[in-house]
Amino acid sequence: SQTIHQWPATLVQPVGSPLSLECTVEGTSNPNLYWYRQAAGRGLQLLFYSVGIGQISSEVPQNLSASRPQDRQFILSSKKLLLSDSGFYLCAWSVEGYTEAFFGQGTRLTVV
Amino acid sequence: GENVEQHPSTLSVQEGDSAVIKCTYSDSASNYFPWYKQELGKGPQLIIDIRSNVGEKKDQRIAVTLNKTAKHFSLHITETQPEDSAVYFCAARLGNFGNEKLTFGTGTRLTIIP
Repeated sequence: SQTIHQWPATLVQPVGSPLSLECTVEGTSNPNLYWYRQAAGRGLQLLFYSVGIGQISSEVPQNLSASRPQDRQFILSSKKLLLSDSGFYLCAWSVEGYTEAFFGQGTRLTVV
Repeated sequence: GENVEQHPSTLSVQEGDSAVIKCTYSDSASNYFPWYKQELGKGPQLIIDIRSNVGEKKDQRIAVTLNKTAKHFSLHITETQPEDSAVYFCAARLGNFGNEKLTFGTGTRLTIIP
C-alpha cells in the first residue's frame, strides 16, 4: 500500500533562518506531488506541484521554493524565513488522472 | 484558474440531525470533486468523492450531490454523531494532463452538539 511521510511534525524557527521540509511517498511510482499551506482558520492554498523529477510549478509568488530531486521525494525550502511563513504545511500525492489526493500529517511551522 | 467557494464557514448541528455543506466552482472543465475531513492537528482525509458523470453518491451516512449545470456540489451528513465534528473541505479538480491539481474551498467547521 502507499504511504506518505512528512517531517518534522512541528518546527519553531527564528526569522531569517533557512527552512527545509521533506516529504516522501512509498508504494507508488511517478506520483504527482503537492505542497499546500493552511493558515490558521483558513483553507488550503496550493504552493507548488510537480508531475515529475525536476518539474516544479509554482502557484503563488512567495518566499518559498520547492524541489524534487527524486521521483518520490518533494522538498519545501526557504533561504530566509519571514513571520508570514508561519502555518501548517501539507504534502500530498496523487496518481496522474482523476484519482484522489492523499495527504501527509502536516508540519506546523512557527516563525518567531 | 479554478475558484471554489464553500458555505457556511461554521455550522453547529444537534446530534442526530443532518448537516449540509455547499460548494460552487467556476471552471466547467472540472470533473472531479472530493470532500475531505480534517481533525485538529492532522492532514485532511478523503471521505467521499464524485465525478462529473455522476449526479449523486452515497456512503452510509454521507452523500454528495453534483449539479454540473449550476456548478455546485454539496455534502450531506445524516444522523450526525459527535465524531463528525471536524473541519470539512470541498475541492474541485481539472482533469487536463499537467494541470491536475485540486483547488480547495475555505473549509467548514462542523460542531455536533451532544
